[in-house]
Amino acid sequence: QKEVEQNSGPLSVPEGAIASLNCTYSDRGSQSFFWYRQYSGKSPELIMSIYSNGDKEDGRFTAQLNKASQYVSLLIRDSQPSDSATYLCAVRPGGFKTIFGAGTRLFVKA
Amino acid sequence: SAVISQKPSRDICQRGTSLTIQCQVDSQVTMMFWYRQQPGQSLTLIATANQGSEATYESGFVIDKFPISRPNLTFSTLTVSNMSPEDSSIYLCSVEMGLAGGDTQYFGPGTRLTVL
Repeated sequence: QKEVEQNSGPLSVPEGAIASLNCTYSDRGSQSFFWYRQYSGKSPELIMSIYSNGDKEDGRFTAQLNKASQYVSLLIRDSQPSDSATYLCAVRPGGFKTIFGAGTRLFVKA
Repeated sequence: SAVISQKPSRDICQRGTSLTIQCQVDSQVTMMFWYRQQPGQSLTLIATANQGSEATYESGFVIDKFPISRPNLTFSTLTVSNMSPEDSSIYLCSVEMGLAGGDTQYFGPGTRLTVL
């Protein structure tokens, strides 16, 4: 079983819609969770971090964490073509190592 | 967050040669990481580099192939030795910085390596 699992996609949504990206993780003791955005040919860029159960909002982005279900998600409201990228879920089980998922490719159609 | 630079940004190398990639950070950081990302794949951690100690390598990566230096708190190098076409990849330097609530990793722009 992979430690961090994401649907590889591609996920295609129309401009202005809500994009929902999901991630599950295997280590129940994980405490820190991150979403990175990676444009083609570029390095990952941190967009959200979340540490406690519930929702965390930052502009058009909302991260949701449910530790009991070992599930973390990212919602992108009012999706724009510029949001088209690969989104990496990352989990920190403890210590200094961060485990990255394989990423979900998102396409926002104009 | 930190400003992280890498040199070179890209290179094309011949089989059997070595390339050293430099990573410079604009602030002092304790932990630096080196990742590899092959086309269409996610990030694979090569090693963790702490200043003043030997790098810690992940399974499948060895010091003879990927020697790492960490001479101070703002700089590290990764050497890809005796290269083969299978080493063609993007190599990313990452640093850990503490934010309110926890430590987070930030990435440099990457080095795109092609081995012929």
